[in-house]
Amino acid sequence: DAKTTQPTSMDCAEGRAANLPCNHSTISGNEYVYWYRQIHSQGPQYIIHGLKNNETNEMASLIITEDRKSSTLILPHATLRDTAVYYCIVLTGTASKLTFGTGTRLQVTL
Amino acid sequence: EAGVVQSPRYKIIEKKQPVAFWCNPISGHNTLYWYRQNLGQGPELLIRYENEEAVDDSQLPKDRFSAERLKGVDSTLKIQPAELGDSAVYLCASRHRGTNTGELFFGEGSRLTVL
Repeated sequence: DAKTTQPTSMDCAEGRAANLPCNHSTISGNEYVYWYRQIHSQGPQYIIHGLKNNETNEMASLIITEDRKSSTLILPHATLRDTAVYYCIVLTGTASKLTFGTGTRLQVTL
Repeated sequence: EAGVVQSPRYKIIEKKQPVAFWCNPISGHNTLYWYRQNLGQGPELLIRYENEEAVDDSQLPKDRFSAERLKGVDSTLKIQPAELGDSAVYLCASRHRGTNTGELFFGEGSRLTVL
């Protein structure tokens, strides 16, 4: 599975959009981009995933560049409850396991 | 629908003592994972089950760790004897066969402290 690079930490004001970047320059054509988050003292939670088209659900939007070498997770109106570590993971559709990096620690402030 | 249930949530033991963690996955989920998460790091896979069969245990330290999923539902992860370096959060996750391979449901984890 391709490796990903994420900033160590980010801050965002409550009510503003949080844009979390992820680089995956070695991604293969059959690899998906998955995003998870982990709130303090909880297990990771699936957010969204995509292959090449942009995706949106009730939690977030995922924007994947045309060359698929990077993506951005967007939380449109961040709240204090969105403070968490966000993991970007790349894997194939037949992959048997998730491999987590160290993620981005997002701090949402008043 | 109940999520993945793990117990205990917290466990403090002295080194060389045994410890066991229990996981009840979401009903109908045939794939079960045990991950270990060290402080400040992302979770790392220890073992994956497909029903009752352990299909990937390459990262499980087999000298002291063991796991079982006898009837393909609940699972237990055991450490005997525990070492100081085993202090971590042990996470269980499950997935339904028909869902995306990357969409796992995690429990809240069991935090182990070895003194």
